[in-house]
Amino acid sequence: GAVVSQHPSRVICKSGTSVKIECRSLDFQATTMFWYRQFPKQSLMLMATSNEGSKATYEQGVEKDKFLINHASLTLSTLTVTSAHPEDSSFYICSASTGRGLKDTEAFFGQGTRLTVV
Amino acid sequence: QKEVEQNSGPLSVPEGAIASLNCTYSDRGSQSFFWYRQYSGKSPELIMFIYSNGDKEDGRFTAQLNKASQYVSLLIRDSQPSDSATYLCAVNTFYSGNTPLVFGKGTRLSVIA
Repeated sequence: GAVVSQHPSRVICKSGTSVKIECRSLDFQATTMFWYRQFPKQSLMLMATSNEGSKATYEQGVEKDKFLINHASLTLSTLTVTSAHPEDSSFYICSASTGRGLKDTEAFFGQGTRLTVV
Repeated sequence: QKEVEQNSGPLSVPEGAIASLNCTYSDRGSQSFFWYRQYSGKSPELIMFIYSNGDKEDGRFTAQLNKASQYVSLLIRDSQPSDSATYLCAVNTFYSGNTPLVFGKGTRLSVIA
């Protein structure tokens, strides 16, 4: 399957600082990437849809000014958690699809980023 | 509101048995269906996808889809302790990679040696 690389895998930051998470599609171009958040023992919650060359689409309840998404190229989307607080501590996962047709609708996930805000 | 429902479990099966995981979805227009496995602290990995009614087999895994009943299942034959994980059912309404999958909350499977 296609490869999606996410970095860093783990980050600890101080409350009030910002953290950037990168998501790269390594062997395909992704016009659309998705950012999820997962709290312990809960399911994936879609945060936003990242569209190359345009503004991201945020899900209801997700603060666009707090979770900045940039999709500047067909292989890279970044999520910046600004002014992080302990309640932002979570597992953040990106995904992308080759999206070329019927057999390519499955989402490939990055390795995830464990964010801990202290 | 598109919803995907799964029994959260835990589902416990003895080693070597068949594990049966079930999923229902609310959007009758759903076109593609996926099963992901997620180990604790890791991101989901795709196990199988199915688009057409009926069964699809891949090794020890069989996905079953019944669009009339809006039901999709995953059977794991000869269950192994390494199969212990959370299994996520996901659904897509379009044949397109530009719409996000809708995920269920996952079923935790425990295979007991």
